[in-house]
Amino acid sequence: EDKVVQSPLSLVVHEGDTVTLNCSYEVTNFRSLLWYKQEKKAPTFLFMLTSSGIEKKSGRLSSILDKKELFSILNITATQTGDSAIYLCAHTSGTYKYIFGTGTRLKVLA
Amino acid sequence: EADIYQTPRYLVIGTGKKITLECSQTMGHDKMYWYQQDPGMELHLIHYSYGVNSTEKGDLSSESTVSRIRTEHFPLTLESARPSHTSQYLCASSEHSIPGVSNTEAFFGQGTRLTVV
Repeated sequence: EDKVVQSPLSLVVHEGDTVTLNCSYEVTNFRSLLWYKQEKKAPTFLFMLTSSGIEKKSGRLSSILDKKELFSILNITATQTGDSAIYLCAHTSGTYKYIFGTGTRLKVLA
Repeated sequence: EADIYQTPRYLVIGTGKKITLECSQTMGHDKMYWYQQDPGMELHLIHYSYGVNSTEKGDLSSESTVSRIRTEHFPLTLESARPSHTSQYLCASSEHSIPGVSNTEAFFGQGTRLTVV
C-alpha cells in the first residue's frame, strides 16, 4: 500500500532556529516527491524531487531526496514567524495520484 | 499564480440537503482531484479524474459523487448531506504528463469549508 509518513507531527522553535522535517514513503512505481506549505486554506507548492542526492533550494528552504532509503528532508534555516504552517509531503506514482502524509505542524515563536 | 477556483468558500446547510461544490480551473489541466481534510488532519483523496468523462474513486471512501463533462470543471455532489460530511474539501489540478516522465506539481483551490447541522 502506498503511503507517506512524516515526522515530527509538530514542532515548536524560536525565530532563528534551523529545523529539519522528515518524510518517508512507500510507493509502487515512484515518480516524484513533493513538499507543500499549508497556512490557512490551500497548500502551496514548495519543491518537487525526482532524483536522489540533488538538493533543491529556495531562499532559506532546501530539500533533498534519497530514493534508496525512501525518504526526503525539508530544511528551513533562520526560521521566521512567517514560516509557521503545516508542511505536507506527498508522492506521486504511475497512477498520477498525489498521496499526502499527515503533515508536520511548525510553530515559530518570536 | 494558480488559476483554480472553488465555490462556495463556506457553506452551512441542514441535514438531508443536496449540495454541489464547484471547482474550475483555467489552466487546461487534464487531471483534477478532490481531497477531504478535517482540521489538523491529513488530506485524503476522495475522487480524481484523468480527463473528460473519466472519474475514479480515491483512497478514502466517500458518499459524494463527481462528474467531468468539461476539462475545466469538476463538481462534487452530496445527494443527502449528513453531519459526518462536515469537513474542508480541497480541489486540485495538475498538468498532463508524458508517460515515463515525472508528474508536475498539483495546484490547489482555496477550499470549501462545509458544515452540516
